[in-house]
Amino acid sequence: KAGVTQTPRYLIKTRGQQVTLSCSPISGHRSVSWYQQTPGQGLQFLFEYFSETQRNKGNFPGRFSGRQFSNSRSEMNVSTLELGDSALYLCASSEQETQYFGPGTRLLVL
Amino acid sequence: GNSVTQMEGPVTLSEEAFLTINCTYTATGYPSLFWYVQYPGEGLQLLLKATKADDKGSNKGFEATYRKETTSFHLEKGSVQVSDSAVYFCALKRPTGGFKTIFGAGTRLFVKA
Repeated sequence: KAGVTQTPRYLIKTRGQQVTLSCSPISGHRSVSWYQQTPGQGLQFLFEYFSETQRNKGNFPGRFSGRQFSNSRSEMNVSTLELGDSALYLCASSEQETQYFGPGTRLLVL
Repeated sequence: GNSVTQMEGPVTLSEEAFLTINCTYTATGYPSLFWYVQYPGEGLQLLLKATKADDKGSNKGFEATYRKETTSFHLEKGSVQVSDSAVYFCALKRPTGGFKTIFGAGTRLFVKA
């Protein structure tokens, strides 16, 4: 099976803009989770979607949002970008007890 | 709340040395415990896992035992290789209710030839 894919891999935006990141899970996986990785805060959970419903949510402001489509593909959106949103955004799809991570989207906010 | 604490790095070892990376956790109930590895420029890969007390996870020569009495899940390898150089993350997940995973800060390992 193909692994988790994330697009785009790299992105440069300016403050105040918005951005949409995409994640395609492993075929058959219904759970998709998103994480933010930064040098200062480490890996932090953003949210999880399961069968198009948000099942878990982390402690991020409302500027961060997501959704999942009927084919389990997921998108996350960040509005009104801030410099501190610069990070590696990782997506993971899951089955049983195991999460499989994609390579991430590296976002730079200038 | 749930949290994971792991030893700070970087850890620098010579090839064939013994590796221990300490990890302790705080959680209610009986979480599942994981070690993930991240190589430069890549996402995370699951290295091993344990889902109940006294379980031992193992993979590629790495081992970790779920110790409920000491709330620990230390990672060990008997003989490291240069290719093991990476960042290692200890993590926990509640046994039910989805895949929200709490990660430790990560420990960078350098292995010298």
